[in-house]
Amino acid sequence: GNSVTQMEGPVTLSEEAFLTINCTYTATGYPSLFWYVQYPGEGLQLLLKATKADDKGSNKGFEATYRKETTSFHLEKGSVQVSDSAVYFCALRGGGATNKLIFGTGTLLAVQP
Amino acid sequence: GAVVSQHPSWVICKSGTSVKIECRSLDFQATTMFWYRQFPKQSLMLMATSNEGSKATYEQGVEKDKFLINHASLTLSTLTVTSAHPEDSSFYICSAGLAGINGYTFGSGTRLTVV
Repeated sequence: GNSVTQMEGPVTLSEEAFLTINCTYTATGYPSLFWYVQYPGEGLQLLLKATKADDKGSNKGFEATYRKETTSFHLEKGSVQVSDSAVYFCALRGGGATNKLIFGTGTLLAVQP
Repeated sequence: GAVVSQHPSWVICKSGTSVKIECRSLDFQATTMFWYRQFPKQSLMLMATSNEGSKATYEQGVEKDKFLINHASLTLSTLTVTSAHPEDSSFYICSAGLAGINGYTFGSGTRLTVV
């Protein structure tokens, strides 16, 4: 079945450091891929998405490219801020009639000033 | 943009009582709503999928008689935790969207504590 594997955290960075959070997936067909962010005590917010191979999703300085050859969707940001501290979830939605989101385990990012 | 309102944001109840959590789509009609459960420092576990006007589809291992889901209209789904026990304490999150659309909007979650 479909699954998402995400690097374990926590990831602790200094402000302005470069961020990479790895995400790989297993899926049949052509899934759509997402990154969600969860701030403490809140629900999830869609950060970015990509719906087909080689698409690049971007938002708020974050980017992720849908790599079908490596089944990956790594999240990157060139210069993190303290306000980026949150839990980041990689997710996929299967192709075809399946409309469920499958989540990775989440990665806690802590950015220190 | 699409907004999903979840209420209450937190609730404390006694063992044996039932608790209802509401999930509303405020500015769109949601044909599909999902209910998730999140344990501390863990990912979201999909509990069930509800489609307006039909019975919810529960994931394996989720007790449908304990977690009652009603999706009677295109803007409201409810999750009722019946005869709650301390092990039901968790963070419950709903999401809503239109069937076929890639992304879904999430509610802000409900922190349930059963004492």
